[in-house]
Amino acid sequence: DGGITQSPKYLFRKEGQNVTLSCEQNLNHDAMYWYRQDPGQGLRLIYYSQIVNDFQKGDIAEGYSVSREKKESFPLTVTSAQKNPTAFYLCASSPTGLSNQPQHFGDGTRLSIL
Amino acid sequence: QKEVEQNSGPLSVPEGAIASLNCTYSDRVSQSFFWYRQYSGKSPELIMSIYSNGDKEDGRFTAQLNKASQYVSLLIRDSQPSDSATYLCAVRGDKIIFGKGTRLHILP
Repeated sequence: DGGITQSPKYLFRKEGQNVTLSCEQNLNHDAMYWYRQDPGQGLRLIYYSQIVNDFQKGDIAEGYSVSREKKESFPLTVTSAQKNPTAFYLCASSPTGLSNQPQHFGDGTRLSIL
Repeated sequence: QKEVEQNSGPLSVPEGAIASLNCTYSDRVSQSFFWYRQYSGKSPELIMSIYSNGDKEDGRFTAQLNKASQYVSLLIRDSQPSDSATYLCAVRGDKIIFGKGTRLHILP
């Protein structure tokens, strides 16, 4: 089955710790995205990548980092600099970064602070 | 600041009736418009895309776009309890912007 796989489903972070959220897609999509969703809020863009080895900051990139070494993979690291990381993190992809193509989402990772 | 506005709801609709969800956007050069359904605790699921003025129908769903009024809507006919969810409007110009969503509750 083609799709976007996010892992883990739930993640707990200790103070001062960096954690990495995995996102893998087998849809052969060029563009990948990371969003954060807080209760009752819309989706806020953290980072996006339109091609391997290239990525851009979104609206709330501070305290986060990404890499795009392979087309299929776009991991997100939540660093200790992100002081309020508790949220639902969603990875998405689209065939390219063109505006007429919708994004499709993985199942999400729920991150909490211990 | 480019914005996408939705009434947060909840919007309560009797089962079998038509649910009407509305969305306005500020960026006049927006080209693509999407509706996503998000069940509680789950990720958004694409249900409709619309790119030109007018109506687009898919089963019980109809998307309506009016670029002059910067308005896009989603109609759900014969509403079912399984339609109870949050509906996100997304508008794409040079980047995609999501609204905060409208909570829809179908009353059995």
